[in-house]
Amino acid sequence: DGGITQSPKYLFRKEGQNVTLSCEQNLNHDAMYWYRQDPGQGLRLIYYSQIVNDFQKGDIAEGYSVSREKKESFPLTVTSAQKNPTAFYLCASSTSQVWGRDSNQPQHFGDGTRLSIL
Amino acid sequence: LAKTTQPISMDSYEGQEVNITCSHNNIATNDYITWYQQFPSQGPRFIIQGYKTKVTNEVASLFIPADRKSSTLSLPRVSLSDTAVYYCLAQAGSYQLTFGKGTKLSVIP
Repeated sequence: DGGITQSPKYLFRKEGQNVTLSCEQNLNHDAMYWYRQDPGQGLRLIYYSQIVNDFQKGDIAEGYSVSREKKESFPLTVTSAQKNPTAFYLCASSTSQVWGRDSNQPQHFGDGTRLSIL
Repeated sequence: LAKTTQPISMDSYEGQEVNITCSHNNIATNDYITWYQQFPSQGPRFIIQGYKTKVTNEVASLFIPADRKSSTLSLPRVSLSDTAVYYCLAQAGSYQLTFGKGTKLSVIP
C-alpha cells in the first residue's frame, strides 16, 4: 500500500543528545513536510521540502535540521539546541503546490513519532 | 495566510447530523477551504476541499456561502468513530499550511 512511514513510534532522548526521526514515503510525492504538535494544540511547521536537495524553514525551525537526498526520504534531526523537544512529530507529503493555482494539494500524513526526554 | 476561527469543542449524539462552522473573514480570492480530521496519536487526514457553494463526497459535505466569510462542514449521521479533532484551513497553493487548534468533536452513545 502507498503511504508514509514514520519510525520509531516512540523515542526517548537524553539531555544533550541529538536524535533523528525517520520519514519514508512511496507515494512518489515531490513535497515533504515536518510538523510538531504539542498537547491540545494544532500543528506547527518545522521544515518543508519542495523537491530533492532543497528545503525551507517553517515557523519553528530553530533546534532542528533536515536533509532531502532522496525523493522518498526526509529525516528530521532534533538537536541538543532544541530546549523543549518533547512533542508529537508528524511527517507529511504532497504533490507539488502549483503557484497561482487555486486549490491546495492535500497533504498525506504519517502516524507520527512521540519524542520524550529522559 | 487567512486566519480561521472554529469552536473549540462540540458534542453530538450518535446518528445525528453535525455541522461545524469555520469563520474566515479575511479569506483571499484564490483561497480554498480545506478540512482535515485527526484521531488521537495519528496524523491528520484530508476530508474535503471547496471554493464556493457546495461540495459533497462519501464522507462529508462542505457548504460555502457566496460571501465566503465562513464555511460549514457537515457530517451526516455521526458514529462514535467520528470522535476526532477537525481542522479548517483557508489557503491556496501554499506549502505552509496553518493548522489552528481545531474543533474537538465528541460523539456520545
